[in-house]
This record gives sequence, C-alpha cells and structure tokens, in this order.
Amino acid sequence: DTAVSQTPKYLVTQMGNDKSIKCEQNLGHDTMYWYKQDSKKFLKIMFSYNNKELIINETVPNRFSPKSPDKAHLNLHINSLELGDSAVYFCASTSNTGELFFGEGSRLTVL
Amino acid sequence: AQSVTQLGSHVSVSEGALVLLRCNYSSSVPPYLFWYVQYPNQGLQLLLKYTTGATLVKGINGFEAEFKKSETSFHLTKPSAHMSDAAEYFCAVSYLTGTASKLTFGTGTRLQVTL
Repeated sequence: DTAVSQTPKYLVTQMGNDKSIKCEQNLGHDTMYWYKQDSKKFLKIMFSYNNKELIINETVPNRFSPKSPDKAHLNLHINSLELGDSAVYFCASTSNTGELFFGEGSRLTVL
Repeated sequence: AQSVTQLGSHVSVSEGALVLLRCNYSSSVPPYLFWYVQYPNQGLQLLLKYTTGATLVKGINGFEAEFKKSETSFHLTKPSAHMSDAAEYFCAVSYLTGTASKLTFGTGTRLQVTL
C-alpha cells in the first residue's frame, strides 16, 4: 500500500485552465503539506494543514487553493494556470516528528 | 529563521570512492536535521535524521551523517560509492511552527557516480 499517493502523476494543460491535484495518506498522520519543486529542483513549501486546519500558508498566489476534506486528504486546486506554474508538486505528511513522508509527485506542464 | 546551505550543486565520484556531500545550517533553536534522496522521477525518501542524542547518525544504503554544532554542519558521507547512489540529495532543517513542523530544504546536490 502506498503511504502517500497523489493523482494525477502527470498533467499537461493550457494557460488559463483550472486543474486539481489530489493527495491521500494512509499513515494516520495529522499534518499534510504541499511542496513545489521547480525546474532547478528547488523545493519550497506552499501549504500545511493540521487536522483539516490551515497552519502554514507561504507566499503563494491566491490562484492556488488547498482543501482538506478530512485529515487523510489534502487537495490542491489551481485556477487560471500560468506558464510559471509548471513544476512538480509534492504532497507530504508527518506525525510531527519532523520527518516528512512524500508522495511521488505530480508533474504539471502548462503550455 | 532556519536555512540550509548545500555546497556544490554537482558532485562526481568514482565507484568505490568516498562520498561527501556538504550541508551547513542556520537555526535559532536546536535543529532537527535530515537528508533526503530523490531518484529520477520519484518522490523524496528519507536517508537519515538527527533529532537529539548521538551526533553520528546512520541511515539507509550505508550513508551516515555527523551533527557538528560548533561548525553548524551535517555532512553526509558514504565510504564507498555505488552506481545506484546516483541521485539528487537534499539536506533539510525542521522546526515547529504552531502545531506543524516546517521543513526547509537546501538547493540539492546531484551525485554522479562514474565507473
């Protein structure tokens, strides 16, 4: 069983479209995250939710809206996609030991 | 604020040679330190972590790292490189903010292993 699973793994879309990425973890963790990895492999935190409550919200355009229906799920919706949104988006979860468990990533390409 | 600096974006070693990947951190509180590995087209996998206690930490695949507070370093080493070690390696520092841990990553070091 995959601990942290993301769908879809690949997304190719046009500028201006809206897209969503889903994430689920079966580790029983309370805290989940979205990280963005750019073309230079730099990883930057975007959001964190603890038991469905938004805890960390970095400087991210409000076109990005996370949603956590329950503590095992954290979805990311992106409106009006721009070229600069092309990246790999990683979902992660933790039991607050500091160690994060990552999904395999969702590669978004905006044309 | 916490930050991590990884010296060398690319490191190339011969198979069987020593691997040394450098990481220095900045933290206003005692840090939790991590090394993660990312293989091509995959997510990040934890190699090892330091929280408290013994400063020499052993991880998976023969890697180890030593926490040196006086040098604010957490360098990753492996005595003998294997071709399968070729990957991107990330050092990270964690601290608690409210009820969530925030993991801040370095810029990564790509390890190349040659025959």
